[in-house]
Amino acid sequence: ETGVTQTPRHLVMGMTNKKSLKCEQHLGHNAMYWYKQSAKKPLELMFVYNFKEQTENNSVPSRFSPECPNSSHLFLHLHTLQPEDSALYLCASSQDRGRAQETQYFGPGTRLLVL
Amino acid sequence: TQLLEQSPQFLSIQEGENLTVYCNSSSVFSSLQWYRQEPGEGPVLLVTVVTGGEVKKLKRLTFQFGDARKDSSLHITAAQPGDTGLYLCAGAYVAGNQFYFGTGTSLTVIP
Repeated sequence: ETGVTQTPRHLVMGMTNKKSLKCEQHLGHNAMYWYKQSAKKPLELMFVYNFKEQTENNSVPSRFSPECPNSSHLFLHLHTLQPEDSALYLCASSQDRGRAQETQYFGPGTRLLVL
Repeated sequence: TQLLEQSPQFLSIQEGENLTVYCNSSSVFSSLQWYRQEPGEGPVLLVTVVTGGEVKKLKRLTFQFGDARKDSSLHITAAQPGDTGLYLCAGAYVAGNQFYFGTGTSLTVIP
C-alpha cells in the first residue's frame, strides 16, 4: 500500500465511450502525475500537476483530458480513444515537483482496453 | 526523447543464483533511480543514486552508479522468488526535472 489509490483497476471501453480514471493520494503531497505504460515501451509521462496547476503536458492527444480539483485528487477524462491507447495508466504523487531527488509514489494503475 | 537502455530485457533464473542487470545512457544523469514493479501493481522506489561511483546496498540488492554517471547496475545475491518483478531504472538529466524511464528488465526467479 503506497498511499495512492486508483479506480477503476480495470476498464474496457469502446472508441465512442467517455470514461474517467480517478486517482487519490493520502500522503499530503503537492505534485501528482499521470503516466502511460505500454508493453515493450518505457513509462511515458503524460501530465504533471503541482499545487493543482498543470505544469507539464508532454504532447498528449486532446482525447485525454486531465483534471486536478485539489492536491489529493487527479482525474483523467477519456473520450473517443483509439485501440492503441490500450495500456496501464499509472498515477503517482510526490512531495513537490522539481526536487532534485524527488520520490514518486505510484498507484496500482488502471488497466485500460479500448475496443 | 532521452533513451535509457536496460539489459537484459528478460531474465529467468533459479532460486539462489546471483544476477546483474544494467541501465545505460549516452548522456550524463543528475540522479538515477531503480524501481521494482510487481504484477498488478505500480512501481516502487528501491534506491536513488546521485554521486558517480556511489554504491548502495539494500539487503541482498547492491546498486552501483557509474563513475561517469552514464550507467548503473543492480546486483542481486542469492535471488529469491520474492524478487520476481519488473526492474525499472529512471534517470533525471537535470536536477529537479523529469525522470525518464527505461523499458525494464523482467526477472523471474524459479523456486
